[in-house]
Amino acid sequence: GAVVSQHPSRVICKSGTSVKIECRSLDFQATTMFWYRQFPKQSLMLMATSNEGSKATYEQGVEKDKFLINHASLTLSTLTVTSAHPEDSSFYICSAPRHGVTYGYTFGSGTRLTVV
Amino acid sequence: DAKTTQPNSMESNEEEPVHLPCNHSTISGTDYIHWYRQLPSQGPEYVIHGLTSNVNNRMASLAIAEDRKSSTLILHRATLRDAAVYYCILRGGADGLTFGKGTHLIIQP
Repeated sequence: GAVVSQHPSRVICKSGTSVKIECRSLDFQATTMFWYRQFPKQSLMLMATSNEGSKATYEQGVEKDKFLINHASLTLSTLTVTSAHPEDSSFYICSAPRHGVTYGYTFGSGTRLTVV
Repeated sequence: DAKTTQPNSMESNEEEPVHLPCNHSTISGTDYIHWYRQLPSQGPEYVIHGLTSNVNNRMASLAIAEDRKSSTLILHRATLRDAAVYYCILRGGADGLTFGKGTHLIIQP
């Protein structure tokens, strides 16, 4: 149980276009999802927290107009990278609270975004 | 999350036990100790967590010092599939995780 499905696993897009990444909780409901970004050889950095039915909260330094987050249902959260640039190339990962583990989380498999 | 300190890397041989240390001298009384690992090109995976007592599950064991200022993740019989970055994280609430650099575990065949 407690599976988070993330798609796509890998995407290449042209500079200036937008890319949507989806995360679905398959066997549980997630009122909250967290989005992280990981650059090569670095650790994960929390970008934003999405809450079902309300606006996402963004970490300092993360542009909310560039990284659009929608949490339209209890099982789906999406991250849209708008007007992507090469510096947005990174590994994006979502996570949701993990039932049965105090303050624990289940992670998606990640999306490798390459902007050319 | 309170700060943790881990070695940058460790190396072990296949089928031998591995002890991954974590220091957390500023841990508060309500902080849980969580361990995650991240295999190459994958999202992190929950390994184990504990509060005061030692814990065992199918993946690993967690040994927590009596003063809780340090802990050790124990992989009883490492395999090549255990090669990953292991993160020790203190959790006092339900906000997002703060990842440090973790320990890069290398398993030699």
